[in-house]
Amino acid sequence: EVQLVESGGGLVQPGGSLRLSCAASGFTFSSYEMNWVRQAPGKGLEWVSYISSSGSTIYYADSVKGRFTISRDNAKNSLYLQMNSLRAEDTAVYYCARAPGRGVIYGMDVWGQGTTVTVSS
Amino acid sequence: SYVLTQPPSVSVAPGKTARITCGGNNIGSKSVHWYQQKPGQAPVLVVYDDSDRPSGIPERFSGSNSGNTATLTISRVEAGDEADYYCQVWDSSSDHLWVFGGGTKLTVL
Repeated sequence: EVQLVESGGGLVQPGGSLRLSCAASGFTFSSYEMNWVRQAPGKGLEWVSYISSSGSTIYYADSVKGRFTISRDNAKNSLYLQMNSLRAEDTAVYYCARAPGRGVIYGMDVWGQGTTVTVSS
Repeated sequence: SYVLTQPPSVSVAPGKTARITCGGNNIGSKSVHWYQQKPGQAPVLVVYDDSDRPSGIPERFSGSNSGNTATLTISRVEAGDEADYYCQVWDSSSDHLWVFGGGTKLTVL
């Protein structure tokens, strides 16, 4: 079964850091581009970051650029999101999502169940 | 920055047809994807590349895209179709390369 499982969310104070993980199974992880997408409470979906299959190409939304770092370990079938200098507006459910062909033509076809990040003092 | 505009809500009776629109400047030149999200669950891709369906998605879900409007059509609506629906495109000129619409809440009456 194709599956993505996020972990690492929690409660953190403003200015703090958190590292999210996404464990992939059921497919050849190293062949797929990946994204992080978040959803603030009661709000819509917001794309956060993209990483190519090899990790050589990375993009960030302006709202997180300079604070978040996406990475992957293809040997461990894992995707990561290091989040620093967290703000209250980063409070959201964070999803990892598979994006074949960058997702341009095929969309984001597999999503994890999400992990909740709460930034509050 | 590229903007996708969806109606906040659409209501439809069971067995009827629901149409959810997604407006964007010359969106017809882009590939549009649609996601269904039920409360407390992750989004699910229901239509990609304007009108294609992933395996396992019922034929009742279809899409079209032309000019400045893309449309998700759900035929013979069922109670289980009640959910939020989001359109999405990739836009290289945006600060958010993968742009989502604001979402439409589909209510089955």
